[in-house]
Amino acid sequence: QQQVKQSPQSLIVQKGGIPIINCAYENTAFDYFPWYQQFPGKGPALLIAIRPDVSEKKEGRFTISFNKSAKQFSLHIMDSQPGDSATYFCAASTVGSSNTGKLIFGQGTTLQVKP
Amino acid sequence: GAGVSQSPSNKVTEKGKDVELRCDPISGHTALYWYRQRLGQGLEFLIYFQGNSAPDKSGLPSDRFSAERTGESVSTLTIQRTQQEDSAVYLCASSLFGSTDTQYFGPGTRLTVL
Repeated sequence: QQQVKQSPQSLIVQKGGIPIINCAYENTAFDYFPWYQQFPGKGPALLIAIRPDVSEKKEGRFTISFNKSAKQFSLHIMDSQPGDSATYFCAASTVGSSNTGKLIFGQGTTLQVKP
Repeated sequence: GAGVSQSPSNKVTEKGKDVELRCDPISGHTALYWYRQRLGQGLEFLIYFQGNSAPDKSGLPSDRFSAERTGESVSTLTIQRTQQEDSAVYLCASSLFGSTDTQYFGPGTRLTVL
């Protein structure tokens, strides 16, 4: 029940394409869903996050779509660039003063954007 | 300001040896997390500190793993009698207060057990 399942494992798109990465969760207590971006040799960095009271959040070229009833959320990267080539992780946690905020991560998606 | 730092960046050890991994969180951050990232896998939660107490140790895989934190500062993850399956990148993250705040990750320590 603590799992977060992420797909696809890898993705190759041309510059300007719109890669989409999907995640599904089971624990309905999760109420915070961040996406992290990780470059080789670096730690993950927060890209964008959403709470379940909204169905979509957009920051620059990055958009999260959230479907509470289906327990799924996805990351869309508009006008993708070669510099977006990285590994992307979805995650989920439960916020609130009585919770630790530990993140449950998906398995990761390696994205390659070809010039 | 300075981010989360970890040392060493790489550690190669022999099976059966003990290792210590260090994490220096962002100054003022009270919450600190350790995660493990095996090759090609997502991050697995190990332990959570609030100040120098560890209210959630549920992710520690065995009693060979332990961690401590000095006040709201440096944390050390210790792995005793290392095994080959302990080979992974160990990542530390800190956040300002806890669950409602963004976790900032360090670059990790790559541990290789021969």
